[in-house]
Amino acid sequence: DGGITQSPKYLFRKEGQNVTLSCEQNLNHDAMYWYRQDPGQGLRLIYYSQIVNDFQKGDIAEGYSVSREKKESFPLTVTSAQKNPTAFYLCASSISASGRLHEQYFGPGTRLTVT
Amino acid sequence: AQSVSQHNHHVILSEAASLELGCNYSYGGTVNLFWYVQYPGQHLQLLLKYFSGDPLVKGIKGFEAEFIKSKFSFNLRKPSVQWSDTAEYFCAVSPTDSWGKLQFGAGTQVVVTP
Repeated sequence: DGGITQSPKYLFRKEGQNVTLSCEQNLNHDAMYWYRQDPGQGLRLIYYSQIVNDFQKGDIAEGYSVSREKKESFPLTVTSAQKNPTAFYLCASSISASGRLHEQYFGPGTRLTVT
Repeated sequence: AQSVSQHNHHVILSEAASLELGCNYSYGGTVNLFWYVQYPGQHLQLLLKYFSGDPLVKGIKGFEAEFIKSKFSFNLRKPSVQWSDTAEYFCAVSPTDSWGKLQFGAGTQVVVTP
């Protein structure tokens, strides 16, 4: 089955700890994305990557970091600098084609709770 | 900065009623438009999309949307809803010159009562 997997589904951390969320895709997509979903605010883009070893900040990148060492994987680290980390995090991917946007496919999400 | 506005945060309606969800965006250039749906406990999935051509687009599960460029709108419609349409619906916009960046609306929670 092709798709996007995110693990774990639920994650609990103490304040001050960094935590890394996993995102893997086997769709052979070039582009990958991380969003944060908060009630009443929709999805906001944290980081995105168009190609391996390259990524760009989205609208709310502060307190987050990413890496893209493999095409299939785009892990997100929520650092202790993120002021309000408790949220639902969604990973997505899309085919990358020059000059044309394809729809994004989403993973099941990770709900992070920081206390 | 561009923004996407969804008119209703919560909609409650009965089965067989018609549904229309409003979506307006603020961006003067060419855009790609999407409606995504998130059923309870499921992945966010694409309902329909508009890239170019016929402004009336049809999606899955009987949904359709109309792009009205002059009104910067992309409203979602379904003539007769079912209980299984209970979900959260998100409008998303991507300017064609901002590669890969989707701007989402706040979402509309739709509850269909039997």
